[in-house]
Amino acid sequence: KAGVTQTPRYLIKTRGQQVTLSCSPISGHRSVSWYQQTPGQGLQFLFEYFSETQRNKGNFPGRFSGRQFSNSRSEMNVSTLELGDSALYLCASSPTSGGKNSPLHFGNGTRLTVT
Amino acid sequence: GNSVTQMEGPVTLSEEAFLTINCTYTATGYPSLFWYVQYPGEGLQLLLKATKADDKGSNKGFEATYRKETTSFHLEKGSVQVSDSAVYFCALSDLGNTPLVFGKGTRLSVIA
Repeated sequence: KAGVTQTPRYLIKTRGQQVTLSCSPISGHRSVSWYQQTPGQGLQFLFEYFSETQRNKGNFPGRFSGRQFSNSRSEMNVSTLELGDSALYLCASSPTSGGKNSPLHFGNGTRLTVT
Repeated sequence: GNSVTQMEGPVTLSEEAFLTINCTYTATGYPSLFWYVQYPGEGLQLLLKATKADDKGSNKGFEATYRKETTSFHLEKGSVQVSDSAVYFCALSDLGNTPLVFGKGTRLSVIA
């Protein structure tokens, strides 16, 4: 079974631009969560989608948005990029919503650098 | 709110040494507790979990016991290998559909 696939692996953008990151979950998984990982803040939850509906949202500004398609693939978008958005963005899928009852399966992440 | 506190790293050990990584938590309910591991260049993967007090999770020689009285879930391994070098994250999930809350991670380096 293929794992969680994130594309692209690396991105370099300029301040003020926008970016879209893509995540394909494990086949059959309906929940997709996004996390931002930085050395200073660690792993911070962005949002979770389940069956095309946003179930949970973290404490990030409105510049961060996401969506999920009917095939469970998900995208996240960051508009008006800031230097502080430089991070590893991790996507995780699971069969059910939330992390308590079924483990999260993570992709290898997209490394975003904003210059 | 819910939170997880891990010991600061990095931790450097010689091969076959004993490992302990401390983790304590704050939660309003009765959380499930997890340890995830991140190898270089990869995403996180679940190492072990425990869903109720006094449960012991174990995998690949690693163990952690859910201690409600001390709100702790310390990770231990009796004899580490070079291949255990990675970043270890303690995490909790409280209610059924709430997202995982992670600690900041502890980097472990094992030298031969």
